[in-house]
Amino acid sequence: DTEVTQTPKHLVMGMTNKKSLKCEQHMGHRAMYWYKQKAKKPPELMFVYSYEKLSINESVPSRFSPECPNSSLLNLHLHALQPEDSALYLCASSSLTRDRGEYGYTFGSGTRLTVV
Amino acid sequence: SQQGEEDPQALSIQEGENATMNCSYKTSINNLQWYRQNSGRGLVHLILIRSNEREKHSGRLRVTLDTSKKSSSLLITASRAADTASYFCATDARETSGSRLTFGEGTQLTVNP
Repeated sequence: DTEVTQTPKHLVMGMTNKKSLKCEQHMGHRAMYWYKQKAKKPPELMFVYSYEKLSINESVPSRFSPECPNSSLLNLHLHALQPEDSALYLCASSSLTRDRGEYGYTFGSGTRLTVV
Repeated sequence: SQQGEEDPQALSIQEGENATMNCSYKTSINNLQWYRQNSGRGLVHLILIRSNEREKHSGRLRVTLDTSKKSSSLLITASRAADTASYFCATDARETSGSRLTFGEGTQLTVNP
């Protein structure tokens, strides 16, 4: 299995809702990432998990709460979002060993989030 | 913050022509990667070049890296309409806090049949 699976593919939520984005990989990668991408812009790093521990938080507002329950799963919990948080949320994974270099990062297809 | 710039921002060519995209970056890197993204979809890894390499080939792709100028180029030869997509360079800098992949602004490539 060489894929990163993200669910749901589309999500519409109100500003008072609580929702979660899910990401799963079975490639044995020990690093997992959340990126946010606005239209016609490059992806921006939000969080990095290395060996299931949060290693990088790019000063993301607390209304975004990441969770890594095990080495295959990554969640992003959403609460009290704003309309400007509407974006494509991408999950990625990568190996942390030296051979990682040849394979880059594997990205999921993303969750298209709309906050109304 | 983004790593650097890509040029051109948009490129339109005819099928069969070559497409060249350039990328500049600002910090030290372990490697530089190129990704492709079809409209509104996930990113697909195309090719990776390590910081101690100068050129790499993969099929119709050729990547160069000049660490002294902090720049890279991606050449797609004999382009096809199916190559139409956004192309991003991304620098991989392994830090004590973890691995970080930072993207350039991207080039929108249109290949006309």
